Amino acid sequence: EAQVTQNPRYLITVTGKKLTVTCSQNMNHEYMSWYRQDPGLGLRQIYYSMNVEVTDKGDVPEGYKVSRKEKRNFPLILESPSPNQTSLYFCASSEGTADTDTQYFGPGTRLTVL
Amino acid sequence: AQSVSQHNHHVILSEAASLELGCNYSYGGTVNLFWYVQYPGQHLQLLLKYFSGDPLVKGIKGFEAEFIKSKFSFNLRKPSVQWSDTAEYFCAVTAGTGFQKLVFGTGTRLLVSP
Repeated sequence: EAQVTQNPRYLITVTGKKLTVTCSQNMNHEYMSWYRQDPGLGLRQIYYSMNVEVTDKGDVPEGYKVSRKEKRNFPLILESPSPNQTSLYFCASSEGTADTDTQYFGPGTRLTVL
Repeated sequence: AQSVSQHNHHVILSEAASLELGCNYSYGGTVNLFWYVQYPGQHLQLLLKYFSGDPLVKGIKGFEAEFIKSKFSFNLRKPSVQWSDTAEYFCAVTAGTGFQKLVFGTGTRLLVSP
């Protein structure tokens, strides 16, 4: 089944403890992206990747890192999480990088930073 | 920078009522428009999209949307809602960059009472 998977789905952590949220897609998609969803703010893009080893900042990149060493994986790294990073995180991928391509979303990771 | 406005934050309807959710965007050039739906506890799914051709676009589950360029609008409609349409609906746009850069509205929560 074609899908985007994220792990973990739920995570509670403490301020400053490094964490990684994994994202994997099995559709051989070029483009991958991370969003955070906050009440009243919709989804905002954190980082995106056009292909392997090609990543760039989205609208809210502060406090996050990403890497794209393989086409299928696009992990999101929080080196020193803070409470304002408590949010619902979505990974997405699309076949190409054209602005008409559809993005397919993962199930989400709900992160709480205490 | 482009932005998307969804003026209805919460909508409550009875089953069989008609639905129209507003979406306005700010960008003067060519745009590509999307409606995504997020059912409770699930990931975002594409309802429909528009990037050229007939401005009246039909999507899944009986939804449709009309692109009105002069009004910078892309309103979502359904003639008769069902309880299963209870969800959050997001309008999104890619514009002017030539590549994937989804900008989302803040979302509209729809509650359909049986």
